[in-house]
Amino acid sequence: DAGVTQSPTHLIKTRGQHVTLRCSPISGHKSVSWYQQVLGQGPQFIFQYYEKEERGRGNFPDRFSARQFPNYSSELNVNALLLGDSALYLCASSWGGQAGPIFGYTFGSGTRLTVV
Amino acid sequence: AQTVTQSQPEMSVQEAETVTLSCTYDTSENNYYLFWYKQPPSRQMILVIRQEAYKQQNATENRFSVNFQKAAKSFSLKISDSQLGDTAMYFCAFMKHATGTASKLTFGTGTRLQVTL
Repeated sequence: DAGVTQSPTHLIKTRGQHVTLRCSPISGHKSVSWYQQVLGQGPQFIFQYYEKEERGRGNFPDRFSARQFPNYSSELNVNALLLGDSALYLCASSWGGQAGPIFGYTFGSGTRLTVV
Repeated sequence: AQTVTQSQPEMSVQEAETVTLSCTYDTSENNYYLFWYKQPPSRQMILVIRQEAYKQQNATENRFSVNFQKAAKSFSLKISDSQLGDTAMYFCAFMKHATGTASKLTFGTGTRLQVTL
């Protein structure tokens, strides 16, 4: 069984540009969450989607947006990139609903974004 | 808002020895879940162990066990018979029980564990 797959694995962008990160959840998982992990810190919650609906949003500016597709894959978009957006972006999938906490979340290996 | 504190930035243990990683949290919720995740250099977060707050019995998974003290809001991880492959960052995380809203994880800042020969 394939795990959570994220693409690309590494990315270098210039300030002001736009970036799209992609995530494919484990087969059967209906919920996808996005986290930002700045170097030396724990991951911070950005978004959660369940059944293609946004379930929650963390304390991030409107430059950050996401969506979930009918096949439950997801995209995270960041506009007008700042140097401070440089981080590891992690995607996590779960069955969704109340099953998330019960069965846990499976994380991908992340996309390392560097903004120069 | 919930907060998770890991006061040990780095720990070192010899192979086959036992080590305990500390975690405290602050919440006004009564129904929640606590997790320990491991993040090796490969970057992938791997679930180590999970504890439901309503369960008094401490969770165990093979060499990993927790000491959950709900009143003290403490959730430490004990690794027995440490192995070189246990070398990683360890994150403590909190999730409140939620219905119809986001089930988000709140992470601590992590403890870097080095297992030595």
